[in-house]
Amino acid sequence: QVQLQESGPGLVRPSQTLSLICTVSGGFTTSGNPYWNWIRQPAGKALEWIGRVYPSGYTNYNPSLKSRVTMSIDTSKNRFSLNLTSVTAADTGVYYCARGTYVVDPWGPGILVTVSS
Amino acid sequence: QSVLTQPPSASGTPGQRVTISCSGSSSNIGSNVVSWHQQVPGTAPKLLIFNDNQRPSGVTDRFSGSKSGTAASLAISGLQSEDEAEYFCAAWDDSLEGIWVFGGGTKLTVL
Repeated sequence: QVQLQESGPGLVRPSQTLSLICTVSGGFTTSGNPYWNWIRQPAGKALEWIGRVYPSGYTNYNPSLKSRVTMSIDTSKNRFSLNLTSVTAADTGVYYCARGTYVVDPWGPGILVTVSS
Repeated sequence: QSVLTQPPSASGTPGQRVTISCSGSSSNIGSNVVSWHQQVPGTAPKLLIFNDNQRPSGVTDRFSGSKSGTAASLAISGLQSEDEAEYFCAAWDDSLEGIWVFGGGTKLTVL
């Protein structure tokens, strides 16, 4: 059974880069042609899809964040990562990683990231 | 503001049937399958419904999903206290290069 866990700093300074890693246990199975997502939820607001990365390294991002986002994957270490540059307070929220196929599932428990000086 | 529209809250008494709606557009719900997820604070969202109306193994049949046009619904029958949680819908949106879109979430209170 695939399980995901986010990790990274809980506090990031404004204008700096937010960097998170998602570790996948159960492996990067190719069954169902999965890809790997980052999703976030600012406090009191709706979930927002950030983007996805395929095992091949192909990515596509939410146009609203595209200029600041980079995702990568390391299948040998069963993990993928998110970099979000030039953060502001508006980037504060809970960040989730999740597997995607025809449905986004499963999800990690999420990690709270606060942007503050 | 979310792309998929849900009521912010819903409530019911034990044993009742509750329905939560999710409204979208032709580029998401109207052309792609809908899933429903249960979220308890501090834990990973749990998949309840996929492909509009399919339940994963292990999910009770008290949860059911339906879709018509650009709207979907989640029904919970025989309401129990442990059903108190946040519920959100999700669908792929074909706009531009495509993105996942989500509902704003509905907080269900069991009275």
